[in-house]
Amino acid sequence: GEDVEQSLFLSVREGDSSVINCTYTDSSSTYLYWYKQEPGAGLQLLTYIFSNMDMKQDQRLTVLLNKKDKHLSLRIADTQTGDSAIYFCAESPMNRDDKIIFGKGTRLHILP
Amino acid sequence: EAGVAQSPRYKIIEKRQSVAFWCNPISGHATLYWYQQILGQGPKLLIQFQNNGVVDDSQLPKDRFSAERLKGVDSTLKIQPAKLEDSAVYLCASSHGTTYTGELFFGEGSRLTVL
Repeated sequence: GEDVEQSLFLSVREGDSSVINCTYTDSSSTYLYWYKQEPGAGLQLLTYIFSNMDMKQDQRLTVLLNKKDKHLSLRIADTQTGDSAIYFCAESPMNRDDKIIFGKGTRLHILP
Repeated sequence: EAGVAQSPRYKIIEKRQSVAFWCNPISGHATLYWYQQILGQGPKLLIQFQNNGVVDDSQLPKDRFSAERLKGVDSTLKIQPAKLEDSAVYLCASSHGTTYTGELFFGEGSRLTVL
């Protein structure tokens, strides 16, 4: 089946690192994604990782993929107030890399 | 490059009334998606078009929802009659649909409130 699970809330102090976790069920997913949604806006792709990779780094963002445990994480270094948003984990099922299934989203709250 | 345009941004109707949402994707994008995002949940795919053909409408409640993409560009999503549980944000997204990198470009959404 296709399902993506993630915790609903995370609070982090400004300047600390944020780690948002996600588990997925489809072990054959070819792509896994992190999307960001700011208030009143549509979703925006932050980063993605191909299933044959276990890590991807892009400036302050680090994505880790554990295929054995079907676990994906997003680390945001030096969290800023502008990082306050909802972060969605998503996957593409096997043979349908044009279809994206989203989790419920993790709301990241930045503490001063 | 202009983004995905949606209208109206907000709509309030009473149950059993009808409503229509419009989407204009990014120019040249072959694939168009309609997602439903209920408050506190992730977006759920309602229907996916490739040009003007339907690729996936498995989660579209076809007894009340309909969508079309005439000429493979703009799309409309209609709900008739609306139910209370249809209150949600309806997101339109588009992608190139060819060399796929997983990037969907989303509009700002149309927020529907059914009273």
